[in-house]
Amino acid sequence: KNEVEQSPQNLTAQEGEFITINCSYSVGISALHWLQQHPGGGIVSLFMLSSGKKKHGRLIATINIQEKHSSLHITASHPRDSAVYICAVTMNRDDKIIFGKGTRLHILP
Amino acid sequence: DAMVIQNPRYQVTQFGKPVTLSCSQTLNHNVMYWYQQKSSQAPKLLFHYYDKDFNNEADTPDNFQSRRPNTSFCFLDIRSPGLGDAAMYLCATSTQLSVSSYEQYFGPGTRLTVT
Repeated sequence: KNEVEQSPQNLTAQEGEFITINCSYSVGISALHWLQQHPGGGIVSLFMLSSGKKKHGRLIATINIQEKHSSLHITASHPRDSAVYICAVTMNRDDKIIFGKGTRLHILP
Repeated sequence: DAMVIQNPRYQVTQFGKPVTLSCSQTLNHNVMYWYQQKSSQAPKLLFHYYDKDFNNEADTPDNFQSRRPNTSFCFLDIRSPGLGDAAMYLCATSTQLSVSSYEQYFGPGTRLTVT
């Protein structure tokens, strides 16, 4: 079992829909990251969380430390949001980062 | 302003020809990481430096080496690239600011093509 699990693996939605991507982890962490990667592109860091909730534009990230779960929400989704969204955690025992396999999001116009 | 810079963003090398990828940071973070990401896979840790201490992952091939001449720079050397080494190479940095505060940044990656 992977230490970082994301769901869904693939998601197709219509423009304007509210999007939720989930991440669960099984290790003790210092921080959790949400990353965005466009096809063939590099990684862009969206959020780093250790507690609570963060908002940036149409993006919202939440984390529940007790439940070891985080969600990334996109409001008013747009075709340019189409990308792979990756959840990653930094383990507090050795600072290593473990990545989820990513969620491939496709927003239809 | 970019805080973790990777150069070049795209690198083409020939089979067997040594190549060096570069990562620099303006953050003074004490930890630097190199990851390899192949198509449709999660990034895989190759090694990381904790200050000057080098930590190699057990399954990182000997073909991959790293240097960290100072806090700001870290290099990934691929001694004899094979076709299977074509991938995105990601650099990341981190530091523990306090007991409860942690900072981490990712570079944009270098896409390596081996011909």
